[in-house]
Amino acid sequence: AQSVSQHNHHVILSEAASLELGCNYSYGGTVNLFWYVQYPGQHLQLLLKYFSGDPLVKGIKGFEAEFIKSKFSFNLRKPSVQWSDTAEYFCAVRDNYGQNFVFGPGTRLSVLP
Amino acid sequence: NAGVTQTPKFRVLKTGQSMTLLCAQDMNHEYMYWYRQDPGMGLRLIHYSVGEGTTAKGEVPDGYNVSRLKKQNFLLGLESAAPSQTSVYFCASTPLGEGSYEQYFGPGTRLTVT
Repeated sequence: AQSVSQHNHHVILSEAASLELGCNYSYGGTVNLFWYVQYPGQHLQLLLKYFSGDPLVKGIKGFEAEFIKSKFSFNLRKPSVQWSDTAEYFCAVRDNYGQNFVFGPGTRLSVLP
Repeated sequence: NAGVTQTPKFRVLKTGQSMTLLCAQDMNHEYMYWYRQDPGMGLRLIHYSVGEGTTAKGEVPDGYNVSRLKKQNFLLGLESAAPSQTSVYFCASTPLGEGSYEQYFGPGTRLTVT
C-alpha cells in the first residue's frame, strides 16, 4: 500500500529563515502530489499540487515544491518564512488510477518572531 | 457556494452513546471521504464513497458506519462510542476524474468521548 513519510515532526525557525520540509512516498507509478497547510484551529487548505510537467511547482504564499521522481520525493520550500506561516503541513499522494489520497503524518512548523 | 460543511462542530459523548456526523457539499462532487485526525498521525481515512449509494472502507473503519443516500451528503455514524474515538473528524470531497483534483475539506468536528 502507498505510504507517505515526512522527515520532520516539528521544525522551529526564526522569521526570514529558509524552510525545507521533506516528503517521500512509496508508490512507483504515476502520482499526483499535494501539500496542504492547516493553520491552528482551521481545516486543511491546499498549498500546491503537482500532476505533470515542470517538476518545480509554485503555490500560494511564496511556497514551492520540487518533484524528484528518482527519489520519490516532493519537498516543500520557502525562501523566507513569516510568523504567519506557523501551521501544520501535510504531504499527500494520490495515484493516478485510484480514488484515495494518502497523507503523511504532518510537520508542525513554528516560526518565532 | 458554501463548499464542504460539517455538523456539528463540537460534541461530547459518553462511552456507549451513538451519534451521526453530517457532511454536505454543494460542488456536485462524486467522491466524498471521512478522515480522523490524531496528533502525530496525520489524517487517516475511515470510509469513502465514489458516488451516491456507494461506500467503501478506508484504513480505520472499525466502529464507524457511513451512508451516502444523496450525492451531496455523506453521514458518519458511531453506534457505540469509545474513548479511542476521541478525535477531530474531517470530511472532504473531490470531483470525478483522473486529473489532479485536490480534496476540499470541511471545517472539522471535534469529538470527545468520556
